[in-house]
Amino acid sequence: EAGVTQFPSHSVIEKGQTVTLRCDPISGHDNLYWYRRVMGKEIKFLLHFVKESKQDESGMPNNRFLAERTGGTYSTLKVQPAELEDSGVYFCASRVTGYGYTFGSGTRLTVV
Amino acid sequence: DQQVKQNSPSLSVQEGRISILNCDYTNSMFDYFLWYKKYPAEGPTFLISISSIKDKNEDGRFTVFLNKSAKHLSLHIVPSQPGDSAVYFCAARSDSWGKLQFGAGTQVVVTP
Repeated sequence: EAGVTQFPSHSVIEKGQTVTLRCDPISGHDNLYWYRRVMGKEIKFLLHFVKESKQDESGMPNNRFLAERTGGTYSTLKVQPAELEDSGVYFCASRVTGYGYTFGSGTRLTVV
Repeated sequence: DQQVKQNSPSLSVQEGRISILNCDYTNSMFDYFLWYKKYPAEGPTFLISISSIKDKNEDGRFTVFLNKSAKHLSLHIVPSQPGDSAVYFCAARSDSWGKLQFGAGTQVVVTP
């Protein structure tokens, strides 16, 4: 079974630019989550999709962040325009309801 | 508002000895607690969990203890092995949709 795939693995962009992160969950996993770890701090929840619907987006920092999950399959997280404080590692995770998470390897975003 | 705290950013232990990692939480509504292990450039992987109705769960070399009155849990690794060197995250489930709140992690280094 393929795991959760995230790309790119690294992205370096300038402040003010746009970046789109992608997550391909495990096939059949209805639940998809985005988390972020900033500067060695805690891993923070961003949002949760159930299929294509946003169940909880209470962790999204501000309206510069836009997440989508087309057709309930892969998800994208767009940051526009990027700011310095957006730097961090963005993790995606998926799961079947009632079972545990599988995390992707993350995308390390550096905004300079 | 960080509800899950790991106050020790690092721990160094000799191979064969016990590693004890601590975690404190503030929200009495958490119903499930998990420990994740993370290697560099990888996503967190599930290690062991415990329901809030139990006080101990054991899986091989790993044991998690929960003290609800103190809002404290700990992870014991016995005996510690070099392959255990990683960052360990404590996490708590905060709703029925599986949303997790994480601590900041403890870097464990097991020395020969």
